[in-house]
Amino acid sequence: DADVTQTPRNRITKTGKRIMLECSQTKGHDRMYWYRQDPGLGLRLIYYSFDVKDINKGEISDGYSVSRQAQAKFSLSLESAIPNQTALYFCATSDPTSGRAVTQYFGPGTRLTVL
Amino acid sequence: DAKTTQPPSMDCAEGRAANLPCNHSTISGNEYVYWYRQIHSQGPQYIIHGLKNNETNEMASLIITEDRKSSTLILPHATLRDTAVYYCIVRDSGGGADGLTFGKGTHLIIQP
Repeated sequence: DADVTQTPRNRITKTGKRIMLECSQTKGHDRMYWYRQDPGLGLRLIYYSFDVKDINKGEISDGYSVSRQAQAKFSLSLESAIPNQTALYFCATSDPTSGRAVTQYFGPGTRLTVL
Repeated sequence: DAKTTQPPSMDCAEGRAANLPCNHSTISGNEYVYWYRQIHSQGPQYIIHGLKNNETNEMASLIITEDRKSSTLILPHATLRDTAVYYCIVRDSGGGADGLTFGKGTHLIIQP
């Protein structure tokens, strides 16, 4: 089984709808991240969390919110989806005790289309 | 964080060594060079990282120049499955905790 899973894998929604993307991990890592990727571009950080009580905004947090329900779960919400949020979304984890703080492990991605 | 410059695309014949360059002329003393790759819309995958010395693991080798202003990722015997976008990222050892900064990377195409 994959260490970092994302649901759904694909989602088509309409403008104004609320949508939640979910991420679960079995790696036991404290740190979790949400990124988005637009066609032809690199990944950009939306939110990150060091533990259940520590959530931080990334480069492009406007229009998004997150919830860290447990060490293993980190959800990304779009309260009112708009077409320019159409993108590929990735969840990632990292382990600060590994000695390689920036080794991040990514999920398979969620392809979101907002019509 | 130091910025990196990579060629947008490269070709390599299957079975040959693929050498991917990265310039990071503003790198500071405590910053590492990391390489990730992304195979067609999949989640990025960690490859290797280094500080000063050359590094090798089961996936690749990393050669860092003595002045640390540039580096080269080497895939010794490229296969078709190595076709991907390769990202060179510079961060300090404690960084990356607040996320990685991905540029556009190099699209490596392995030709049969």
